[in-house]
Parts: sequence; structure tokens; C-alpha cells
Amino acid sequence: KAGVTQTPRYLIKTRGQQVTLSCSPISGHRSVSWYQQTPGQGLQFLFEYFSETQRNKGNFPGRFSGRQFSNSRSEMNVSTLELGDSALYLCASSVQVNTEAFFGQGTRLTVV
Amino acid sequence: KNEVEQSPQNLTAQEGEFITINCSYSVGISALHWLQQHPGGGIVSLFMLSSGKKKHGRLIATINIQEKHSSLHITASHPRDSAVYICAVYRPGAQKLVFGQGTRLTINP
Repeated sequence: KAGVTQTPRYLIKTRGQQVTLSCSPISGHRSVSWYQQTPGQGLQFLFEYFSETQRNKGNFPGRFSGRQFSNSRSEMNVSTLELGDSALYLCASSVQVNTEAFFGQGTRLTVV
Repeated sequence: KNEVEQSPQNLTAQEGEFITINCSYSVGISALHWLQQHPGGGIVSLFMLSSGKKKHGRLIATINIQEKHSSLHITASHPRDSAVYICAVYRPGAQKLVFGQGTRLTINP
């Protein structure tokens, strides 16, 4: 059974640009959550999607957005990138909300 | 004060030692997760607990709901166990996972 796949694995962008990250969940999983990990703040919740609906959003500015498609694949977008957006972005999928979460390898975003 | 506190923050031990990592939380939860993160970033889910105790191989996780405390134990530790171990709790009111800062474990041969 294929795991959670995140693409791309690594990304370098310049300030002011925008970026789109992709997450393909495990087949049959309808819940996808996104997290940001930085050395200073640790892991922080970004959003959660279930059946194409955003169920919850973390305390991040509106530059961070996401969506989920009918096949449960999810994308997150960050516009007007800032240096502080440099981080490891992780997504996790689960069958339902609040069931065991399976994480992807992450996308490491560097903003220069 | 963080809602989820882990101790110790760093732990170095010799191969074969018994390891305990602690997690305390201050909010109502419906489940607690123990996660493992190796250098390079990928996170592996080790356990999801809502009560009692679970065992998988050399790993044991316990939770005491009344005391709002969980422990992760590793028996017969091995250098390949070296990783960051993260405790996360699911807050049903907030509908999200809240994470501890992690415990960096190093097992020397």
C-alpha cells in the first residue's frame, strides 16, 4: 500500500513569489492535514480537509491557503513568500478525522 | 506554558539501555500520538493511544488520562533508535493536533 506522497521534496523560492505544494494521501483516506515545522516553533497545525471541505485552520496569515480535490489529493499554496516561511511542510492523511495519522516525507521550502 | 510538554529535551544513552520519554499535557484530549522523526524529516506514527498501554516490538507507550501524562519506553535501545520523538495530542474542541517540542534521542554504540 503506497504511503503519503508529497511533491516536490525540496523547493527554493525567492521572496514575493508564490508556491504550491502537493499531497497525495493513502488510498481510502479522506482526511488530509498540513503542518509547518521550523526549528524555533516546532510543528504547527496549518489546516485540515475532509471530503473537500476545510474543517479547521491554524493560526496562520491568509497567505496560506489550501484545498482538497474529489480524489482526496490536497494542495497548499503560500503567496507573497517571506523568509520566515522557510520550513518543512508536512502533510498527514487518515481514514477519518482523529484516527491514526500517516505522514509524508515533507517538502522542504527555502525562501531566499 | 505549552499545552504539551516533553521531557527530557535531549537524551543520550548507551546501546542496550532502557529509555523513557515523558509527555504531559494540560488540555482535554481524545487521543495522544507518539511520532518518530529521523534526520531528513519524514515522520512515522508509532502509537495512537486513548487509554492504557500499547506495545510494538521494543516500544511501549502508556497513558494515564487522570494524570494527563504519557510515557514512551524503548527496551534494549539500539543506535537505529536515534531520532526525535514527538508527542502530539488531539484536542477535540479545537479539532487539531497539538505537538510537544520533541525529545532528541541519541543512542551510542
